[in-house]
Parts: sequence; C-alpha cells; structure tokens
Amino acid sequence: GNSVTQMEGPVTLSEEAFLTINCTYTATGYPSLFWYVQYPGEGLQLLLKATKADDKGSNKGFEATYRKETTSFHLEKGSVQVSDSAVYFCALSFLNAGGTSYGKLTFGQGTILTVHP
Amino acid sequence: GAGVSQTPSNKVTEKGKYVELRCDPISGHTALYWYRQSLGQGPEFLIYFQGTGAADDSGLPNDRFFAVRPEGSVSTLKIQRTERGDSAVYLCASSNHGFTEAFFGQGTRLTVV
Repeated sequence: GNSVTQMEGPVTLSEEAFLTINCTYTATGYPSLFWYVQYPGEGLQLLLKATKADDKGSNKGFEATYRKETTSFHLEKGSVQVSDSAVYFCALSFLNAGGTSYGKLTFGQGTILTVHP
Repeated sequence: GAGVSQTPSNKVTEKGKYVELRCDPISGHTALYWYRQSLGQGPEFLIYFQGTGAADDSGLPNDRFFAVRPEGSVSTLKIQRTERGDSAVYLCASSNHGFTEAFFGQGTRLTVV
C-alpha cells in the first residue's frame, strides 16, 4: 500500500536558521505530493504541492522538490521565523477514478517544529 | 460558510454509547472527506463523499462506523457502541470539482471514557 515517512521530531531551531524536514514515500505509480501545516489552534492548511516528478512546490518561503528517483519530497526553508512554529505533514494522493480529486490523502506522522527567537 | 465547520469541537462520551459528529463543508463543495487523527499520528482517511453518495468508504475501520450526507452538503459521522480506542480527533475536509486543495475543519476531539 501507499505510505509516507517523515523525519522524527520534534525539531527545535533558532530564528533565521535553515530548515529541512525529510519526507519519503512508497506508492504504486506516481502520486501527487503535498505538505500540509497545522498552526496551533487551527485546522490543517495546504502549504505547497507538486503533481509530477521534478516539480518544485513553493509557498511562504518554503520549498519542496518532487524527486522520483529517491521517492522524496523534503521540505526546506532558508530562514525560519517564530511564526513558522507548527506541525508539518507530508502527504500523497492520486487522482480518483474520475480524474477530478486528490482528496484521499495518505499522511505522514507529522513533524513538530518549534522556532525560538 | 467561510470555512469547513465541525461540531461539536469536543465530545466526551461513555464506552458503549452512540455519538454523532457533524461536518458543514464550504458552500458549493461537492466532495467531502472524513479523517481520523490519533495522538501523535497523521490523519487517516475514513470515507469520501462525492455529492450524496459514498464514493470510497475503504477507510472505515469496522461496521460501528457509518457516515451519511443525505442532501449533498452537511455530513454526519456516526459511531455506535463506542470504544476507548475510538478516542481521536475526527477531521472533515471538503473540496470542489477539479480539486487542487482540500480545506480542513478544526476537527472534533472525541474522548471515550
């Protein structure tokens, strides 16, 4: 079956440090890949996505590149802020049979990020 | 509404009782999803509705779990004979046709004592 593995956390960084959260996946075929973020007290939000190999998703200074050869989708940010403190989830999905939805997501276990001033 | 709304936000129930969890999706969204998130884990897919019908219920753990969406909008997740292992946060998400993003609610935290 499909699965997503994230680096174990929690991750604690100082403001302006470089962030990497590793994510690898196992899937039959070529899924779309996502990073979701959950800020304290809020629901899950899509951070970025990539739908095919070598695509780079980016948003709010975060980036992740879909690497088919290593089945990876690592999340990076060059300079984190205190406001980036949250739980980050890597996920994959396939288009449904009708080709209209990626909504059936398989998530990793999440990585807690804490950024100190 | 402005976002996906789930009620109640918290529910404590006794083992063996029946519970209903409600999800109000974003207006006009045809697809609706239920997930379950246990402590320290990522969300796990339960069921997907396209309109009124359950297009994929492969994630429902057993026949104590059931979900409906009778008018293609609001959905209710129903759990019979609750067990302590059912304690988790139940998340609902919705999306429109040609999905590129699923919008999640804040979840219902269910505690079975």
